[in-house]
Amino acid sequence: QKEVEQNSGPLSVPEGAIASLNCTYSDRGSQSFFWYRQYSGKSPELIMSIYSNGDKEDGRFTAQLNKASQYVSLLIRDSQPSDSATYLCAVKDFGNEKLTFGTGTRLTIIP
Amino acid sequence: NAGVMQNPRHLVRRRGQEARLRCSPMKGHSHVYWYRQLPEEGLKFMVYLQKENIIDESGMPKERFSAEFPKEGPSILRIQQVVRGDSAAYFCASSPRGTGGAGEQYFGPGTRLTVT
Repeated sequence: QKEVEQNSGPLSVPEGAIASLNCTYSDRGSQSFFWYRQYSGKSPELIMSIYSNGDKEDGRFTAQLNKASQYVSLLIRDSQPSDSATYLCAVKDFGNEKLTFGTGTRLTIIP
Repeated sequence: NAGVMQNPRHLVRRRGQEARLRCSPMKGHSHVYWYRQLPEEGLKFMVYLQKENIIDESGMPKERFSAEFPKEGPSILRIQQVVRGDSAAYFCASSPRGTGGAGEQYFGPGTRLTVT
């Protein structure tokens, strides 16, 4: 059974520092990778998608993908208190539309 | 607002009643997905639909649950004879592309179902 693993946290990071969130997946057939942010009581919000090995940057966010190691990460630079949320990693196989989610990492930014 | 719309946002049902959850995809999107999030658990895929077709229902419980996406109108997730274990947040997502594409999925606000 396909698994997506995340450290549940909580991960505490001082304001202004870099937050690093990690995710591993078990299925080598996984082709697309997504990071969602979910505030308590709210719906998941897409932050980043990445499909190729390497880094992808968007503002303060950088997604990193290493398919050989089956590892995807999200870096948040200059962390802000508003970044405090649960971050969900999701993977999708080519030709299969469903997302498989990890259980999420709870991130707290300390002012 | 061109986002994914879901209603109702909160739904309370007594055990044995039926629950109907509605989802309208983003403008221009023709693919709809339903996910369930149980308290303190991750999001779990339930079903993937296109207009008038169920494409993948591998995550749907075998009994009491059904979904449709008619030619006209919203997608509907129906839960018959609800039980307390059905209490959860039900999220709908939509995407503009289907099989073979990267297909980013965008989520609606969710329906929080409480079974009493």
